[in-house]
Amino acid sequence: EVQVVESGGGLVKPGGSLRLSCTVSGLTFSDAWMTWVRQAPGKGLEWVGRIRNGGTTDYAAPVRDRFTISRDDSKNTVYLEINSLKTEDTGVYYCKWETNVYYGLDVWGQGTTVTVSS
Amino acid sequence: QSALTQPPSASGSPGQSVTISCTGTSSDVGGYNYVSWYQQHPGKAPKVMIYEVTKRPSGVPDRFSGSKSGNTASLTVSGLQADDEADYYCSSYAGSNNLVFGGGTKLTVL
Repeated sequence: EVQVVESGGGLVKPGGSLRLSCTVSGLTFSDAWMTWVRQAPGKGLEWVGRIRNGGTTDYAAPVRDRFTISRDDSKNTVYLEINSLKTEDTGVYYCKWETNVYYGLDVWGQGTTVTVSS
Repeated sequence: QSALTQPPSASGSPGQSVTISCTGTSSDVGGYNYVSWYQQHPGKAPKVMIYEVTKRPSGVPDRFSGSKSGNTASLTVSGLQADDEADYYCSSYAGSNNLVFGGGTKLTVL
């Protein structure tokens, strides 16, 4: 069974940085394509970006300049680094394992909460 | 990339059927058969209920079904049960490795 576990969320001041982690078990991680999705409080789901096996990344246009997705296959972990944090970055950040290049059948983590406030 | 359009709310009585729509464009919903539907209960992570327009993951009841016509995809929940009350989101592949979600529909079981 594939399990996805996010960590690293917390309270951060505007302008700060944060690195979220997503650790996966139950599969050959080096083959995995991993996606980050976020959800602002009381709002809908928003695609943040994805990292393919091999490390190529794709980002949503609104976050491209401040978000960086990376991976460490030796640790079965994918990271989301967020710079120049804004209050509107507050929300739950989910990581999910994609079974398909074109998205679809997937396995989600439980999410990690980021709060940006002074 | 604009969000897909879903009705904010839908409702039905136990045992009834309800259909939730998801409207996009020819660049996303209409252009690919990669529409998914997610169920999200309060405080929980989303769970995929339908993928590739019509496919159901193992363990999802066959009361959940999906379809697509042109730029609009639909999720039908038949034989409504109390536990079906949740938020439902559609998503679609949008080309160039992008993914787009709908705004979400709150399903109420009366």
